[in-house]
Amino acid sequence: AQSVSQHNHHVILSEAASLELGCNYSYGGTVNLFWYVQYPGQHLQLLLKYFSGDPLVKGIKGFEAEFIKSKFSFNLRKPSVQWSDTAEYFCAVNPPGDDKIIFGKGTRLHILP
Amino acid sequence: GAVVSQHPSWVICKSGTSVKIECRSLDFQATTMFWYRQFPKQSLMLMATSNEGSKATYEQGVEKDKFLINHASLTLSTLTVTSAHPEDSSFYICSARDYLAGVYTGELFFGEGSRLTVL
Repeated sequence: AQSVSQHNHHVILSEAASLELGCNYSYGGTVNLFWYVQYPGQHLQLLLKYFSGDPLVKGIKGFEAEFIKSKFSFNLRKPSVQWSDTAEYFCAVNPPGDDKIIFGKGTRLHILP
Repeated sequence: GAVVSQHPSWVICKSGTSVKIECRSLDFQATTMFWYRQFPKQSLMLMATSNEGSKATYEQGVEKDKFLINHASLTLSTLTVTSAHPEDSSFYICSARDYLAGVYTGELFFGEGSRLTVL
């Protein structure tokens, strides 16, 4: 079945460590890709998105993601995490020719102060 | 950014009763809204796509007679959980797209979510 996969379910890092969260999708064709974040007690908000163009996308709060078409991947990165980055991160895909957005299972990130 | 508001934020009901959850786009018009269900420590599962002025499109496995969706205006969609049972207890989240001047920006704006507990 077509899906969105996030490999890391729970990640624990110390402040200033580098972060990379994996995301793979199985849809063929042209897709739109997103990373959403849910801080504790808050609603989901968009971190960044990729529609076309430069495969390296920069988002808010120092996050970036790289779209690698050959690998069907859209990994999220941040060079140096902060305690305030503690949250749940969701990769999402808008499949080709479809109006809906499908989410991965999420990665719970915990940053140690 | 665009604001989506859900009401109520949490609701407790008895088994067998029906519960209505409202989703409003406060500063934009949303021809399409999406309803998701989030289980503890799990992802958002798309339940249905709500289209203004027409029937909702339900995802496979979602009972349309149990989860009634109405999108009567460009700013309001409602989800009614009919004859609720404890297994319907969950976190329900709505979202909407903001088509800025007719241009699809792709971003989904999410409501705060509604936690339903069925006793």
